[in-house]
Amino acid sequence: EAGVTQFPSHSVIEKGQTVTLRCDPISGHDNLYWYRRVMGKEIKFLLHFVKESKQDESGMPNNRFLAERTGGTYSTLKVQPAELEDSGVYFCASSPTGMNTEAFFGQGTRLTVV
Amino acid sequence: GENVEQHPSTLSVQEGDSAVIKCTYSDSASNYFPWYKQELGKRPQLIIDIRSNVGEKKDQRIAVTLNKTAKHFSLHITETQPEDSAVYFCAASKPGTYKYIFGTGTRLKVLA
Repeated sequence: EAGVTQFPSHSVIEKGQTVTLRCDPISGHDNLYWYRRVMGKEIKFLLHFVKESKQDESGMPNNRFLAERTGGTYSTLKVQPAELEDSGVYFCASSPTGMNTEAFFGQGTRLTVV
Repeated sequence: GENVEQHPSTLSVQEGDSAVIKCTYSDSASNYFPWYKQELGKRPQLIIDIRSNVGEKKDQRIAVTLNKTAKHFSLHITETQPEDSAVYFCAASKPGTYKYIFGTGTRLKVLA
């Protein structure tokens, strides 16, 4: 079974540019999450989809971040325009229906804004 | 707000020794506590978890203990091996939400 896949693995962009990160969850997982780790700090929750609906977006930093999950399959996270403080590793995770079930993580996208 | 404190940030042990990583959570409603291991260049993977209705859980060389009164939980690794070297993250979750509140991570180095 394929795990959670993220693309790209690395991205270096200039301040002010736009970047779109993609996540393909495990097939059949209704729950999809985005997290971010800024260097040396905690892995911080950004938002949670249940199928195509945003269930909790309390962790989204500001309106420069836009997440979508059209059709309830893969998800994208767009940062526009990117700022220096957006640098970090963006993780996507998915889990099956039901609370307190294991969340399976992708390998992350390392975003560097210069 | 909700937070999870994790200590130490780095830990070096000799192969064969034990390692202990401690976490404290702030929200007393938390009821699920997973531990993730992230090896260099790889994805975080769940290694063990515990729910608030038990005080201890063990899986081979790994154990987790939970003290709900003190809001502490700890990861214990016995007979450490070089392949245990990784960053370990604790997390807490509460009913009604799917999100995890993570600690800042512990970089464990097992010295051969």
